[in-house]
Amino acid sequence: QLQLQESGPRLVKPSETLSLTCTVSGVSIISSSYYWGWIRQPPGKGLEWIGSIYYSGTTYYNPSLKSRVTISVDTSNHQFSLQLSSVTAADTAVFYCARMYSGGWFWPPPNFYFDYWGQGTLVTVSS
Amino acid sequence: QSVLTQPPSVSAAPGQKVTISCFGSSSNIANNYVSWYQQLPGTAPKLLIFDNNIRPSGIPDRFSGSKSGTSATLGITGLQTGDEADYYCGTWDSSLSGVVFGGGTRLTVL
Repeated sequence: QLQLQESGPRLVKPSETLSLTCTVSGVSIISSSYYWGWIRQPPGKGLEWIGSIYYSGTTYYNPSLKSRVTISVDTSNHQFSLQLSSVTAADTAVFYCARMYSGGWFWPPPNFYFDYWGQGTLVTVSS
Repeated sequence: QSVLTQPPSVSAAPGQKVTISCFGSSSNIANNYVSWYQQLPGTAPKLLIFDNNIRPSGIPDRFSGSKSGTSATLGITGLQTGDEADYYCGTWDSSLSGVVFGGGTRLTVL
């Protein structure tokens, strides 16, 4: 059974860096057909794609967040991670990690969808 | 402000049918596949439809998807109280060079 679990600090101070890790279990993170992604949802608002990473380490980011985002992968520990720098209160959100079917390494993928999601973790930016 | 426009809310009685629209443009829906997600209160989104109209294993055939031009539609028949949730469409936007989601539609089953 594929499972994704987010972990990391729930409270981050303004101007600091938010760091989260997603641990994948039940399937190999090394798969030619999938990217692994981060999506966030501010309280009471909609979904926003942050970025995606291939097992090889190739990354693609939301252009609106690109200057502040780094996504990395650790295949030996079945994990991928998110770092978001210089956070403000506007970055307070539930952060989800998800598996993104892409059919291969091509980008943008000709077709894609997020088929498995973690439960999400609320990260609050506050002093 | 999402580039994909969804109605904020829809409602219908149990047993009835409802449709949820997702309006986009030539840079997104018209030239890319659309997926739909259901988010029950307090839970993570769940994939309902991918590649415009395909249901993943385990999704009942009460849920259907379609696409025409720059818009996509999610249909739900035989509404149940357990269908009360937020529904999101998603696709690729070539102008923004990124994955985009609609603003979400809250379904109320009266």
